[in-house]
Amino acid sequence: DARVTQTPRHKVTEMGQEVTMRCQPILGHNTVFWYRQTMMQGLELLAYFRNRAPLDDSGMPKDRFSAEMPDATLATLKIQPSEPRDSAVYFCASGSQGAEQPQHFGDGTRLSIL
Amino acid sequence: GQQVMQIPQYQHVQEGEDFTTYCNSSTTLSNIQWYKQRPGGHPVFLIQLVKSGEVKKQKRLTFQFGEAKKNSSLHITATQTTDVGTYFCAGRAGGTSYGKLTFGQGTILTVHP
Repeated sequence: DARVTQTPRHKVTEMGQEVTMRCQPILGHNTVFWYRQTMMQGLELLAYFRNRAPLDDSGMPKDRFSAEMPDATLATLKIQPSEPRDSAVYFCASGSQGAEQPQHFGDGTRLSIL
Repeated sequence: GQQVMQIPQYQHVQEGEDFTTYCNSSTTLSNIQWYKQRPGGHPVFLIQLVKSGEVKKQKRLTFQFGEAKKNSSLHITATQTTDVGTYFCAGRAGGTSYGKLTFGQGTILTVHP
């Protein structure tokens, strides 16, 4: 089965360090989403791309977070500098264009900032 | 902005009991999706509802979309231990043509054998 691949699966680092998370969407999918999941806030949409163009990043702290799609097979989410409050599980999801299409989630990156 | 509220936050049941989670949106939705996340896992798509008053069934799971397209529910009949997990509804605002979803907070279901 086709699946969304995220790396790394786990990341522990000290505050102030740069963190880069990567996502390979399902081949043929042209929409990519980045979510952050915490116990307190639940699933929050950070950024959303369609055909590699950013459509919505209103949920992302702009001062330290950035999201890009260098090509159709790679999406990246960077945090610089990282802070302990960034500790969470970060999910990438992809889907086909169209309002009725489901989102397929990757296994997530579990990020701990010490 | 659009808000999607989900209740209850937690539900503990004995195996064999029924379970229902409810989802309410502050705005009219074009469609609503339901996802299940097992402990330690990622959300997995279950179903999508599009039409007003729509009802869909998947084995022991029954999904409903309200007439006003602002609320939805998921009902599980005779729960099993395999039903354990967090159930999320996710709504797409009316008139939105692209894929942005607003997720509810989820209902965490535990099933005691």
